[in-house]
Amino acid sequence: SYELTQPSSVSVSPGQTARITCSGDVLAKKYARWFQQKPGQAPVLVIYKDSERPSGIPERFSGSSSGTTVTLTISGAQVEDEADYYCYSAADNNWVFGGGTKLTVL
Amino acid sequence: QVQLVQSGAEVKKPGASVKVSCKASGYTFTSYDINWVRQATGQGLEWMGWMNPNSGNTGYAQKFQGRVTMTRNTSISTAYMELSSLRSEDTAVYYCARGPYGDYWGQGTLVTVSS
Repeated sequence: SYELTQPSSVSVSPGQTARITCSGDVLAKKYARWFQQKPGQAPVLVIYKDSERPSGIPERFSGSSSGTTVTLTISGAQVEDEADYYCYSAADNNWVFGGGTKLTVL
Repeated sequence: QVQLVQSGAEVKKPGASVKVSCKASGYTFTSYDINWVRQATGQGLEWMGWMNPNSGNTGYAQKFQGRVTMTRNTSISTAYMELSSLRSEDTAVYYCARGPYGDYWGQGTLVTVSS
């Protein structure tokens, strides 16, 4: 089975750059996607195909990939970006999620 | 606009089954897979499986094989997820999400399993 590993928490001050990593062997072969989830809400897709941003997602969200690690970068993080972030990938039609990272912006 | 609207909260006893619906609108229902994901309180996201609304083909996570069934009714653009032999550990919010990227999600359905 595939596994994706994320840090459990990341903390930044408003205006700083937040970076959240996700590691797993499957990422060397498959694209990563990132979800943002705020308390009591459904997840929202913020990055797909490693670095593509869906329409409506602010430009401060970006993604990158290197080998078996992908990184979600939030440039100039804002208080409203505080949320849980999940990386995931799809292999053989199966979605595999990372454990999630709690981003604190304060 | 694209919307996925799920059925309401359910309370079930251990051993029972639950069937959650996900009604799609704003796009051609048969053009995109539907995935089901669940989340227990305070826990991460757990993928359960996918269904192709056009063909009816399905794929289930190994953990749920034998207990989950995903179906659809194309005439009303609705997908269904049925989970049987419920136990307390199945208490969670269940989401449907449009494939292949999960660009649209339902609002979630809370399923509580309690005696």
